[in-house]
Amino acid sequence: EDQVTQSPEALRLQEGESSSLNCSYTVSGLRGLFWYRQDPGKGPEFLFTLYSAGEEKEKERLKATLTKKESFLHITAPKPEDSATYLCAVQAGGSNYQLIWGAGTKLIIKP
Amino acid sequence: GAVVSQHPSRVICKSGTSVKIECRSLDFQATTMFWYRQFPKQSLMLMATSNEGSKATYEQGVEKDKFLINHASLTLSTLTVTSAHPEDSSFYICSAPGLATDTQYFGPGTRLTVL
Repeated sequence: EDQVTQSPEALRLQEGESSSLNCSYTVSGLRGLFWYRQDPGKGPEFLFTLYSAGEEKEKERLKATLTKKESFLHITAPKPEDSATYLCAVQAGGSNYQLIWGAGTKLIIKP
Repeated sequence: GAVVSQHPSRVICKSGTSVKIECRSLDFQATTMFWYRQFPKQSLMLMATSNEGSKATYEQGVEKDKFLINHASLTLSTLTVTSAHPEDSSFYICSAPGLATDTQYFGPGTRLTVL
């Protein structure tokens, strides 16, 4: 069964304290892995798409990496405005765009 | 990036009434759109896949007669919650895949409160 698990459920960091969020997945034929950021009361905002093991993408303080079993979202020297829930989703081969979602990691950056 | 809008952003209605939510792709055409609902502190739950010019595909457990979906054009899909009840109160979000990409872009969401 296709499945996505995110950890930790919640993460509290001090401003400037770097860390990583994990997204483990099992899927029959990965077509793509997606990271989104969601602020309270808003729709998810697209961050990254990763397609193959070894691929990395960066945007400001965020860097996403992918292996055959998991993806990490590294956050370097975070700021309070990085506080949000980070969602991971995978798309299986032949799935017609449908996404399998993780439960999300709520990130809180304290000033 | 592709832009998806939703209207209204917030709606409060009485039990038994129907509510229509619009989802528009603003700068691209979308033959497929997705409707999700999200309860507080939970992840997104796919309700249905909306297909332009054909019937929507509903996920298991979602009542097609209660959640009516119409995808009448390449830029507009609507979700109508019929005879709404308090348990239908939730955050409804739509998405659409961008042009030549597997990436889905999401609307800002609609907060439905049924009294």
